[in-house]
Amino acid sequence: EEQLVESGGGLVQFGGSRRLSCAASGFTFGSYWMHWVRQIPGKGLVWVSRISNDGIKRDYADSVKGRFTISRDNANNTLFLQMSSLEAEDTAIYYCARDGWREGFDLWGQGAMVTVSS
Amino acid sequence: DIVLTQSPGTLSLSPGEGATLYCRVSQSVSTSYLAWYQQRPGQAPRLLIYSTSRRATGIPGRFSGSGSGTDFTLTITSLEPEDFAVYYCQQYRFSPFSFGQGTKLEIK
Repeated sequence: EEQLVESGGGLVQFGGSRRLSCAASGFTFGSYWMHWVRQIPGKGLVWVSRISNDGIKRDYADSVKGRFTISRDNANNTLFLQMSSLEAEDTAIYYCARDGWREGFDLWGQGAMVTVSS
Repeated sequence: DIVLTQSPGTLSLSPGEGATLYCRVSQSVSTSYLAWYQQRPGQAPRLLIYSTSRRATGIPGRFSGSGSGTDFTLTITSLEPEDFAVYYCQQYRFSPFSFGQGTKLEIK
């Protein structure tokens, strides 16, 4: 079964850092571009970042550029999101999603909640 | 950045009825890069439709998509109880890969 499982969520202090992980299984992880998408509970979906299958190309939403870093370890089938200088506005559920190219974001994890608090 | 505007914000219908959800895109996108997702309460989003009209694996035939240019539609015929959820459209042609604000489909 194809699966994505996020981990690393929790309570973080304002201005602090946190690293999220997304473990992939059941498919050839290294063949796919991957994304992070976030959602404030009760609100809509917001795209955060993308990384190419080889880890070379990376894109970020303006709201996180310079503070968040996406990376991946294809040997261990894991996607990461390193978040720093966290703000209250970063409080959200963070989902990793697989890029199916012309087939949209075709596989999603269950999400990891990050709460930024003073 | 491309903005997607969904309407209506909330749609109240009964099981067995049909639903039509709309998504307007601020600039023309190829039909190859327009998707719809379903999100049930407490769950992650799930891909329903990609490339405007292609159903994702395992999606029932009562879900269909159409449209071109800047106007796209998701149609659900004969609503089942499990279809009451929030639906999002998305363009995945240009970064940032924007989503609409969502349409909540609720039981009347």
